[in-house]
Amino acid sequence: GAVVSQHPSRVICKSGTSVKIECRSLDFQATTMFWYRQFPKQSLMLMATSNEGSKATYEQGVEKDKFLINHASLTLSTLTVTSAHPEDSSFYICSARDYGQGPWGEKLFFGSGTQLSVL
Amino acid sequence: DAKTTQPPSMDCAEGRAANLPCNHSTISGNEYVYWYRQIHSQGPQYIIHGLKNNETNEMASLIITEDRKSSTLILPHATLRDTAVYYCIVRGSSNTGKLIFGQGTTLQVKP
Repeated sequence: GAVVSQHPSRVICKSGTSVKIECRSLDFQATTMFWYRQFPKQSLMLMATSNEGSKATYEQGVEKDKFLINHASLTLSTLTVTSAHPEDSSFYICSARDYGQGPWGEKLFFGSGTQLSVL
Repeated sequence: DAKTTQPPSMDCAEGRAANLPCNHSTISGNEYVYWYRQIHSQGPQYIIHGLKNNETNEMASLIITEDRKSSTLILPHATLRDTAVYYCIVRGSSNTGKLIFGQGTTLQVKP
């Protein structure tokens, strides 16, 4: 399957600092990428939809000024957690949409995730 | 997108087939059934998806009932490495493509 690379895999930062997470589609172009957050023993929660060349669409309850998303190219989307606080500590996962051969072939492929710990 | 219902947990003996059920009684005609799994502390992995017909690939088989209100994911010969949370997701082809995850089924493969 297609490969989605996410970096870094783990980051520890001090409260009040900003952290950037990168998500790259390595062997396909992804006009749409998605960002999820996952707390321990819980399911993935969709945060936002990232569209290349346009503003991201955020899910209800997700602060767009807190979680900045940039999708400047067809293979790269970034999530910046601004002024991080301990409650932002979580596992962040990106995914990219591979259209394949139309609706039938369409799949989402996921990065390996970023564990953010805010001290 | 239609909601899905899965049992919270299941056990399976190593080497045996694992059959994971999913109910999606409100599925509509243009919605696909997707299965993903997540091994601890990793991103979800695509397994298989289907619309109406049964599907098989190198990882698993997907059996969809004729009325499409339920499906079963079959891992033919489960190994310890198949221990994971399995998510059944229904998604329409006309939406943004996002996947909304439910709670999934935690499959424990035991030696």
